[in-house]
Amino acid sequence: GNSVTQMEGPVTLSEEAFLTINCTYTATGYPSLFWYVQYPGEGLQLLLKATKADDKGSNKGFEATYRKETTSFHLEKGSVQVSDSAVYFCALIRSGGGADGLTFGKGTHLIIQP
Amino acid sequence: DVKVTQSSRYLVKRTGEKVFLECVQDMDHENMFWYRQDPGLGLRLIYFSYDVKMKEKGDIPEGYSVSREKKERFSLILESASTNQTSMYLCASSLRDSRVYGYTFGSGTRLTVV
Repeated sequence: GNSVTQMEGPVTLSEEAFLTINCTYTATGYPSLFWYVQYPGEGLQLLLKATKADDKGSNKGFEATYRKETTSFHLEKGSVQVSDSAVYFCALIRSGGGADGLTFGKGTHLIIQP
Repeated sequence: DVKVTQSSRYLVKRTGEKVFLECVQDMDHENMFWYRQDPGLGLRLIYFSYDVKMKEKGDIPEGYSVSREKKERFSLILESASTNQTSMYLCASSLRDSRVYGYTFGSGTRLTVV
C-alpha cells in the first residue's frame, strides 16, 4: 500500500537557519505529493504541491521537488522565521486520484527560536 | 474565501452519548472526508464520501458512522461515545479529482469524552 515517511522531531532551529524536512514515499505509479502545515490550534493548510516527477512546488519561501528516482519530496526553506513554527505533514494521493484519501506522514514538529 | 466549516471547536461529551460532528463546505466539492488526529499516530481516515448519500469506510471506521444528505454537508456520528474517541477531528473536502488541488481542511473539533 501507500505510505509516507518523515522525521517526527521536534526539530529546533534558530531564526534565519536553513531548513530541510525529509519526506520519502512508497506508492505505485505516479502519485501527487503535498506538504501541509498545521499551526497551533488550527486545521491543516496546503503549503505546496507537485503532481509529476521533477515538478517543484513553492510557496511562502518553502520549496520541494518531486524526485521520482529517490521517491522523495523534501521540504526546504533558506531562512526560517519564528512564525514558521508549526507541524508539517507530507502527504500523497495515489495515481488514480479519487476519493480514497490522502496518505499522510506522521508530521514533523518544527520549533524556531529567536 | 472558500472554506470548510466545522460546527464546534471544542466539545465535551459523556461516555455513552450519541455525538454529532458537523462539517459544511462552500466550494461545491464532490468529495468529503473525516480524519482523526492523535499524538504519535498522525492523521487517520475514518470515512469518506464521493457523492451525496454515498460513503466509504476509511482505515478506522469502527465506532463511527456518517451521513451525507446534501452535497455541502458531511456529518460524523459517534453512536456511543467512549473515552478512546477523545481526539481532534478534522473534516476535509476536495474536487472529484483531488490530485491537482489536494484537500481543503476545516479548523478541527477537539472532542473530549469523559
